[in-house]
Amino acid sequence: GAGVSQSPSNKVTEKGKDVELRCDPISGHTALYWYRQSLGQGLEFLIYFQGNSAPDKSGLPSDRFSAERTGGSVSTLTIQRTQQEDSAVYLCASSLNGGGNTEAFFGQGTRLTVV
Amino acid sequence: GENVEQHPSTLSVQEGDSAVIKCTYSDSASNYFPWYKQELGKGPQLIIDIRSNVGEKKDQRIAVTLNKTAKHFSLHITETQPEDSAVYFCAASIGGSQGNLIFGKGTKLSVKP
Repeated sequence: GAGVSQSPSNKVTEKGKDVELRCDPISGHTALYWYRQSLGQGLEFLIYFQGNSAPDKSGLPSDRFSAERTGGSVSTLTIQRTQQEDSAVYLCASSLNGGGNTEAFFGQGTRLTVV
Repeated sequence: GENVEQHPSTLSVQEGDSAVIKCTYSDSASNYFPWYKQELGKGPQLIIDIRSNVGEKKDQRIAVTLNKTAKHFSLHITETQPEDSAVYFCAASIGGSQGNLIFGKGTKLSVKP
């Protein structure tokens, strides 16, 4: 596709359930980022993948959060045992070769609601 | 950890006036400073960026200035229009050219007709 694609666009889940959020970056982009945006708030960094380097996980808020990127392309963000405070929009972005060099393109986000 | 501070959090101007949003960053190795605009229900989109070897960049009504010594950069929008109303985010690269992008907390700009 032409842009960053995220799925699902909306997800409602019950407290305590696990959820998986998917990001398809732009083809050929080596860098991939996940951010969380709570209602009316800024972009909270979660995790950053760059090529074959070990991911920067320093933004993950707890061990319930994990992410992987298979084959340097698609990424999945997993939240285990969801809590109500996990409700937010989860945004994925990709860039050609790193945040210090090229534009990051964002997907439309996944709106997660934990009830 | 490294961070980016952005001010103000909200800004209201009359149509035709100028708007200025300011950011500071902590990582002296930061070399790329993009600005994003986010409209309601959409992902952020790049509107202008500046690299550390340049002090100012302009694109029509939008300009960005960078002061590396002070670790400070600003977005200037002139002749504001109602369609400029959105949330604006600054960002700075962390860890050099292959590094991460850390964002400020955003500025909600309202342009009143």
